[in-house]
Amino acid sequence: EIVLTQSPGTLSLSPGERATLSCRASQSFSSSYLAWYQQKPGQAPRLLIYGASSRATGIPDRFSGSVGGSGTDFTLTISRLEPEDFAVYYCQHYGSSRTFGQGTKVEIK
Amino acid sequence: EVQLVESGGGLVQPGGSLRLSCAAFGFSFSSYAMSWVRQAPGKGLEWVSSISGSGGRTDYADSVKGRFTISRDNSKNTLYLQMNSLRAEDTAVYYCAKDGLYYYGMDVWGQGTTVTVSS
Repeated sequence: EIVLTQSPGTLSLSPGERATLSCRASQSFSSSYLAWYQQKPGQAPRLLIYGASSRATGIPDRFSGSVGGSGTDFTLTISRLEPEDFAVYYCQHYGSSRTFGQGTKVEIK
Repeated sequence: EVQLVESGGGLVQPGGSLRLSCAAFGFSFSSYAMSWVRQAPGKGLEWVSSISGSGGRTDYADSVKGRFTISRDNSKNTLYLQMNSLRAEDTAVYYCAKDGLYYYGMDVWGQGTTVTVSS
């Protein structure tokens, strides 16, 4: 079973800054199977990115996803943080077990 | 409007059973795989189980295998999760979620239903 490790655990940034979130897999897999979600307190998660780099419907273009050359390193980038972007972000591998990473909290500095 | 509405949560004693339901609206339910995802208080997301559109394939997390059963009734546009032999560590908000059709991602989520396992 693939294990996803997200880093950092918490990211303290100011509005307007760039956020870079990492998701590292225990073994390589096709980028088609990597998704990113955003969750705000008291709300259900929201799909941001699928296929490692494709934005879901209605997701602003300040959110982008990318893959490292090894096929085990995935990155979610928020180019300029808006107040509504402060939340917890999860990556997910879409295998027979649809494993989530442990999450990265993006908090206001 | 595409919508998922969960129900059936509540307080149950350890060792007890509960059945969650998720009613789907606004899309062709039988065309989509569906999943249950849970979140314990203050913790991250944990995938629980998934089922194909026809119901012919099911997958389970190791933590619930043998205790939980996912099923669906496409005539009623409803997803179910039968939970038996419940433990304190099953306490969580349970979300149902719809898979994308041509991509891998859960693109529609319900509001969640809370399950508390306690004596």
